[in-house]
Amino acid sequence: AQSVAQPEDQVNVAEGNPLTVKCTYSVSGNPYLFWYVQYPNRGLQFLLKYITGDNLVKGSYGFEAEFNKSQTSFHLKKPSALVSDSALYFCAVRDGNSGGYQKVTFGTGTKLQVIP
Amino acid sequence: NAGVTQTPKFRVLKTGQSMTLLCAQDMNHEYMYWYRQDPGMGLRLIHYSVGEGTTAKGEVPDGYNVSRLKKQNFLLGLESAAPSQTSVYFCASSQGLLSHEQYFGPGTRLTVT
Repeated sequence: AQSVAQPEDQVNVAEGNPLTVKCTYSVSGNPYLFWYVQYPNRGLQFLLKYITGDNLVKGSYGFEAEFNKSQTSFHLKKPSALVSDSALYFCAVRDGNSGGYQKVTFGTGTKLQVIP
Repeated sequence: NAGVTQTPKFRVLKTGQSMTLLCAQDMNHEYMYWYRQDPGMGLRLIHYSVGEGTTAKGEVPDGYNVSRLKKQNFLLGLESAAPSQTSVYFCASSQGLLSHEQYFGPGTRLTVT
């Protein structure tokens, strides 16, 4: 069974500092990995994904994520945090090797608080 | 391009009442999904559809039914609402390939008293 772990319920960072939101995963085949962001009272919005290729993936709003196969991690990063980045962030994984439909498993979310 | 829309945005039901949540997408996506979001539990898949006229169960299907009569619409029904179904419900859609991301609607906040 596939799974996703986001070990931190909340991450606090000062505006202008770099931020990291952690994600580790477990999947039997090749992982397809996704990050989504949810602002208050809104649906999830896609940020970036890793399917294959370069381990460093760049996405929307200056975010990037690094795929590390040996550590089964896909941490979300940004060099300089903005107050407007404060939101709930979800990591998700899908098994890319399975035929037919394979569901996406979401983590429980990490609340990012950027302090002015 | 409206993306994914959901109606209603809010609803309060009494135990035992029924209701239908409507999801519509204008991106011609094949796949559609219904999730529920509860504090500390992330998103859990209720039902999904891989094309018009097809539906399948997700992780937590009990107490819910779905229909996809038209490609652009995906309906979620609660036949006899229970307090345990108090949640925020999200609809999503994606293209047919496994590598494609999902597009989410704004959500429906349902309270069952």
